[in-house]
Amino acid sequence: DAGITQSPRHKVTETGTPVTLRCHQTENHRYMYWYRQDPGHGLRLIHYSYGVKDTDKGEVSDGYSVSRSKTEDFLLTLESATSSQTSVYFCAISTIRSYEQYFGPGTRLTVT
Amino acid sequence: DQQVKQNSPSLSVQEGRISILNCDYTNSMFDYFLWYKKYPAEGPTFLISISSIKDKNEDGRFTVFLNKSAKHLSLHIVPSQPGDSAVYFCTGETSGSRLTFGEGTQLTVNP
Repeated sequence: DAGITQSPRHKVTETGTPVTLRCHQTENHRYMYWYRQDPGHGLRLIHYSYGVKDTDKGEVSDGYSVSRSKTEDFLLTLESATSSQTSVYFCAISTIRSYEQYFGPGTRLTVT
Repeated sequence: DQQVKQNSPSLSVQEGRISILNCDYTNSMFDYFLWYKKYPAEGPTFLISISSIKDKNEDGRFTVFLNKSAKHLSLHIVPSQPGDSAVYFCTGETSGSRLTFGEGTQLTVNP
């Protein structure tokens, strides 16, 4: 198994509060991704990173920001959580040479 | 714009029979197509892929077929086993290793 952990695994928060999700890898892979999974939509890319301090937006980036100060950590922040951000969030990693992505176990976030 | 579409939300088959999962796409720029398998409370795991220049790739019980003219691909599982019960996602990959996922198909293999 690829060494990817996500924390927390579950979180309940209130509308308007900031939330940060952490993805940690031990594989030293260059690329890291954040997705959200919602019924009827599959997985949708929020943001991705192609190196330390190098990030770019995905298809559903509004309301989210990311940071990558170290190769092993990729943080996803919801500045002011809304109920529409209730979802399961997955982190993934990949190497520069491979299209294959390895996924973490997911974080279930509920915004009340 | 749904670039990758899986029209069947669910599929139920008997153990030992063939499972066929279908996927349609609209983006002609996809370089690779990948199938991911997902069990509840786990992240997706890579299953099999096919290059856009191929029409078939086989790996054990799993075979993926690509019909570029129809913009259609399918995953065949033969024989199906109860442990194959999971959600299967079809994805298209473009340069930069970006994946576009379909909605997923829940496969149930009945003993």
